Amino acid sequence: KQEVTQIPAALSVPEGENLVLNCSFTDSAIYNLQWFRQDPGKGLTSLLLIQSSQREQTSGRLNASLDKSSGRSTLYIAASQPGDSATYLCAVPYSNYQLIWGAGTKLIIKP
Amino acid sequence: DGGITQSPKYLFRKEGQNVTLSCEQNLNHDAMYWYRQDPGQGLRLIYYSQIVNDFQKGDIAEGYSVSREKKESFPLTVTSAQKNPTAFYLCAAGANTDTQYFGPGTRLTVL
Repeated sequence: KQEVTQIPAALSVPEGENLVLNCSFTDSAIYNLQWFRQDPGKGLTSLLLIQSSQREQTSGRLNASLDKSSGRSTLYIAASQPGDSATYLCAVPYSNYQLIWGAGTKLIIKP
Repeated sequence: DGGITQSPKYLFRKEGQNVTLSCEQNLNHDAMYWYRQDPGQGLRLIYYSQIVNDFQKGDIAEGYSVSREKKESFPLTVTSAQKNPTAFYLCAAGANTDTQYFGPGTRLTVL
């Protein structure tokens, strides 16, 4: 069964740094991968959806890449800001209606 | 104001008590979902509904029940059979896994 892993569980960096969050999956037969953001005690917001035919997807300072052969996706955040502090989760579908989720990386940007 | 609303924001349950979490959407999506989130774990699917008057069990349905009498509403009941219900519960709606919109969540605590 598909497993999704996000390492590290937590990351703290100074403001202004560029950073990379990682997401690994065990079954490369995926048709897309999504990145979400969750603020403390809140719901999730979709950030980027990258199709299996794409290698990258960009939105503002965020860039997601997908390498199916290695079972890996990265979320690159440029010029980090304190407002980027949140938990970032990745998920892959295993049916039309079901997703398998990583446990998330809690990101803290220090002013 | 469009989106997903969940109530209450905080809920406390006594031993042996059933409680119901509300989820309402005005996005006109057919599919709705209930997830459970525990610290350090990914989201786990409890139930989902693709259409009114139909719903399917997710990975952790034991001790939970749902109904889908209206397109806009998908309430979740946490029964006394759920022995460890303390968690953050998230409701979502969307056409499929590519488009899921999340509510703000309900935090349930067992007293």
